[in-house]
Amino acid sequence: QKEVEQDPGPLSVPEGAIVSLNCTYSNSAFQYFMWYRQYSRKGPELLMYTYSSGNKEDGRFTAQVDKSSKYISLFIRDSQPSDSATYLCAMSGRGYQKVTFGTGTKLQVIP
Amino acid sequence: DTAVSQTPKYLVTQMGNDKSIKCEQNLGHDTMYWYKQDSKKFLKIMFSYNNKELIINETVPNRFSPKSPDKAHLNLHINSLELGDSAVYFCASSFREKLFFGSGTQLSVL
Repeated sequence: QKEVEQDPGPLSVPEGAIVSLNCTYSNSAFQYFMWYRQYSRKGPELLMYTYSSGNKEDGRFTAQVDKSSKYISLFIRDSQPSDSATYLCAMSGRGYQKVTFGTGTKLQVIP
Repeated sequence: DTAVSQTPKYLVTQMGNDKSIKCEQNLGHDTMYWYKQDSKKFLKIMFSYNNKELIINETVPNRFSPKSPDKAHLNLHINSLELGDSAVYFCASSFREKLFFGSGTQLSVL
């Protein structure tokens, strides 16, 4: 079993839809939770970052962490075609130098 | 001005050859990494250097040798390339847990 599980998709939604992306994990030592967005033929870029449990909102994006269930989510409101990319969840423990990634979910937003 | 830059962007080579990928960051970060991304987009850490010192060495074949001449540079040399080495290799630097990636080197071994 992988430390971090993520549905690879692909996920196809119409423009304006609310998108929900999720990851589960098994390592209870994880404390830092991130979402990276990767466009085709580009490197991943940090989208959202949360520490421990709770919610964090940034514009159309909301990250949620539920440490009791070992479950994290990224919500995208009013999705746009420019949101079409692969979304990778990532997490690390206190030392935070070793970041473990999920396999990524490919999202396509159709105009 | 590119924050993390790696060269070359594409590398096509024959099995058995030796090749190098170079990486430079101008963010002033102390820690740099090499990650490997396979065809299914799975991103796996290979090496991590902190201020020129190796701190993470995942189970990577000895044919892969990283070198950090200073904290702004981290190069990756690969000996005796194999078909299974074909992947996209990403260099990254970090500030705490936040990673900043280069644009990747797509390595194709024929």
